[in-house]
Amino acid sequence: EDQVTQSPEALRLQEGESSSLNCSYTVSGLRGLFWYRQDPGKGPEFLFTLYSAGEEKEKERLKATLTKKESFLHITAPKPEDSATYLCAVQATDYKLSFGAGTTVTVRA
Amino acid sequence: GAVVSQHPSWVICKSGTSVKIECRSLDFQATTMFWYRQFPKQSLMLMATSNEGSKATYEQGVEKDKFLINHASLTLSTLTVTSAHPEDSSFYICSAGTSGINEQFFGPGTRLTVL
Repeated sequence: EDQVTQSPEALRLQEGESSSLNCSYTVSGLRGLFWYRQDPGKGPEFLFTLYSAGEEKEKERLKATLTKKESFLHITAPKPEDSATYLCAVQATDYKLSFGAGTTVTVRA
Repeated sequence: GAVVSQHPSWVICKSGTSVKIECRSLDFQATTMFWYRQFPKQSLMLMATSNEGSKATYEQGVEKDKFLINHASLTLSTLTVTSAHPEDSSFYICSAGTSGINEQFFGPGTRLTVL
């Protein structure tokens, strides 16, 4: 069974204080690892897809990396608008997504 | 990017009634649509996968007679919660994907409250 574990569960940061979120996974036949941002009461917003170990992708203050067992989402110099829940999901060969429980990030000004 | 809409955005109903939720892909043809359920402070749990023109595939533990899914066209899928009960109250989210493309694009979600 595919498993995705995210840590920490919650992260409180001061504006400008960089940090990293972790996503550990086990999956039979990884098609891709996805990062989403979810604001309260909204659907997930796509951020990145990573396909192979060693791959990195960046978007503004966010950078995602992938190894064979885990992925990291680095937030550099965060701003209050980066406050959200960040979800990690793995996609197996059947195209289904298995989600982690998420990391709720709060950035204080 | 691809846009997926859901209607209604929220609904309140009495116990025992049925509720229909629509999911539409606005600017692309979705060969596959997925329905998820999210309880407060929990992650998304896949309920079922539907391909246009064929019967939905339900995840283990999801009652197919209670959660009716129809994917009649490449831009529309519906989820009907039949004989809803308070324990069905949740945030229902759909996503849509295109054959050969890995990404799923999510709708804004529908908040269902059953009194």
